Amino acid sequence: NAGVTQTPKFQVLKTGQSMTLQCAQDMNHNSMYWYRQDPGMGLRLIYYSASEGTTDKGEVPNGYNVSRLNKREFSLRLESAAPSQTSVYFCASSASNRAGNTIYFGEGSWLTVV
Amino acid sequence: GQQLNQSPQSMFIQEGEDVSMNCTSSSIFNTWLWYKQDPGEGPVLLIALYKAGELTSNGRLTAQFGITRKDSFLNISASIPSDVGIYFCAGQPPNTGGFKTIFGAGTRLFVKA
Repeated sequence: NAGVTQTPKFQVLKTGQSMTLQCAQDMNHNSMYWYRQDPGMGLRLIYYSASEGTTDKGEVPNGYNVSRLNKREFSLRLESAAPSQTSVYFCASSASNRAGNTIYFGEGSWLTVV
Repeated sequence: GQQLNQSPQSMFIQEGEDVSMNCTSSSIFNTWLWYKQDPGEGPVLLIALYKAGELTSNGRLTAQFGITRKDSFLNISASIPSDVGIYFCAGQPPNTGGFKTIFGAGTRLFVKA
């Protein structure tokens, strides 16, 4: 019953440091996503991968890069962390059906940039 | 870009009461999703709606896809303490392949036993 698994759960970075958030899903979904959640706001899409081999920008892509390593894994990289990137990050996946995309989330990664 | 207005921002209710929350937009959506998030956890899907006018239930939860495709509501009947959490609506605009889901800011529900 793993679903979407993301690591690490918690991380503190200094400004300018880099790090990669890892995500894997075991539901054989084609599409994967990275969202960030800030206090009082809904989730905002950073990047998504509609299928293996493709990635596209979402609403807030600046300062991030992604890699769709294979069908299961989708990583998010912060090359030079900034305090504005302090947030909770959620990886998600979905399998499109005829009607729409039902999205399933991981448990989140709490990132603090000091 | 498109935005969702979710209301109310928070609700304080007594156990056993019914709850209603809604989301509206100035633009249409093809799909509406409702999620619940507990503290320290990721959002969990409650109900998915795919067609205008659709009314779907999941236990004590009922959600509807508005006829205009610009709104959706979620009702919780006979609330219990474990209903506490943040409820998010989410909509998928047309012509985006369902990939650019937009989320409301959430409704925080507090239930007093």
